[in-house]
Amino acid sequence: AQSVTQLDSQVPVFEEAPVELRCNYSSSVSVYLFWYVQYPNQGLQLLLKYLSGSTLVKGINGFEAEFNKSQTSFHLRKPSVHISDTAEYFCAVSDAGFNAGGTSYGKLTFGQGTILTVHP
Amino acid sequence: AAGVIQSPRHLIKEKRETATLKCYPIPRHDTVYWYQQGPGQDPQFLISFYEKMQSDKGSIPDRFSAQQFSDYHSELNMSSLELGDSALYFCASSLGQSMAYGYTFGSGTRLTVV
Repeated sequence: AQSVTQLDSQVPVFEEAPVELRCNYSSSVSVYLFWYVQYPNQGLQLLLKYLSGSTLVKGINGFEAEFNKSQTSFHLRKPSVHISDTAEYFCAVSDAGFNAGGTSYGKLTFGQGTILTVHP
Repeated sequence: AAGVIQSPRHLIKEKRETATLKCYPIPRHDTVYWYQQGPGQDPQFLISFYEKMQSDKGSIPDRFSAQQFSDYHSELNMSSLELGDSALYFCASSLGQSMAYGYTFGSGTRLTVV
């Protein structure tokens, strides 16, 4: 079984300040990692994903995240936030790959979410 | 580019009624996933289908059933609705069952049970 822990339920920050949203995961198998953003009353938009390769992943809207296997973390960062970044952010994990037994991968397990509030 | 289409966008039902939510995946995507997001909660996986067969099952109540049709669209049927079923229901589609191949969410159906 997998689990995801987002260490901060709310993160207030001033405009143009840097921000880091923390995510730790637990899994017994190799994983893919994701960050999604959800604006009020809207759907889930993919910010970035780690599948393999470079551990530093760049996404949309100036966000980036670093996969740290030894610390089982995938923290999201942005060097300078805007008012428009105010939203809820979800970290998610899925099993990597596909096994011959037919078990479905592609099921996402989400963290509890972090509400980022950017103040002017 | 075509996205995942969910209908209806909003649905209001009374307790003990039945609701049907529809999901139309991205063309050529063969896998559909359903998630439920309660108020202030993270999305929870309900069920998935690959090539019209159920491929995985999560925390889906017995009152709910789903299927994937020959055109790959999927429907989530919810009976004997309870107040606690009020939530945002998301559908996602992908090519194959791996996250590596274009996993995309729809905008969701907001179900309110009164």
